[in-house]
Amino acid sequence: AQRVTQPEKLLSVFKGAPVELKCNYSYSGSPELFWYVQYSRQRLQLLLRHISRESIKGFTADLNKGETSFHLKKPFAQEEDSAMYYCALKGTSYGKLTFGQGTILTVHP
Amino acid sequence: ETGVTQSPTHLIKTRGQQVTLRCSSQSGHNTVSWYQQALGQGPQFIFQYYREEENGRGNFPPRFSGLQFPNYSSELNVNALELDDSALYLCASSLGTATEAFFGQGTRLTVV
Repeated sequence: AQRVTQPEKLLSVFKGAPVELKCNYSYSGSPELFWYVQYSRQRLQLLLRHISRESIKGFTADLNKGETSFHLKKPFAQEEDSAMYYCALKGTSYGKLTFGQGTILTVHP
Repeated sequence: ETGVTQSPTHLIKTRGQQVTLRCSSQSGHNTVSWYQQALGQGPQFIFQYYREEENGRGNFPPRFSGLQFPNYSSELNVNALELDDSALYLCASSLGTATEAFFGQGTRLTVV
C-alpha cells in the first residue's frame, strides 16, 4: 500500500527564516516523490519532483530512502511562499498519485 | 495551448441524485485522472483513463464511474449521491502516465 504522511497541518515562520516541511512515505517499491503547491485561489501545481533534483523558487527536497522521507526545505522563506503544500507519491503502476494531507505554510512579514 | 478546464465550478445536488462532472484535458494530453478532495484532506485518487480505457482505480465504490472520449476529455459520474460525496473533485491530465500531471481548478460538489 502507498501512504504519505505530512505530520504538520500548519507551519508558521517569519520572513527570512529557514523552513522545512516534513513528508514521510510508505511504499514497498521504488517511488517517485513530488511536492505540489496550491497558492490562494489558484489550482494545484507541481513544485518539484525528486528525479529532477532541481531547486524551484529556492526550494529543494532530497529523497532519503533509509528514512523514507522527502522533506521540503528553503533557507530563507518569503511571504509569497505562503500556500498549501502537498507531498505526493507515485508508485510504479500507472500514474496514480497518493497525496499527504497537506501543510499550510504561513510566512509572516 | 489551453490548460485543464473543469465544469461546472460549483454544484449542489440532493442525496440520491446523480451527477456528471466534466473535464477537458490539456492540449496533447491523452491521460486523465480524477481525484476527490474532502475538506481538510489531500486529494484521493478515484480512477484514471488512458486512451479511452480505465487504466487504474482507487478505493471508490462502483457508483463512481467515468468515461473518456476520443478527444481525451472526460466525465466523472456519481450515482445515488450521499452526503459524504460532498467534496472538491479534481481532474488532472498528462501525456501518458510518466509525465507531469496538470490539474484543473476543480468542481465543488455539495450534497444536501
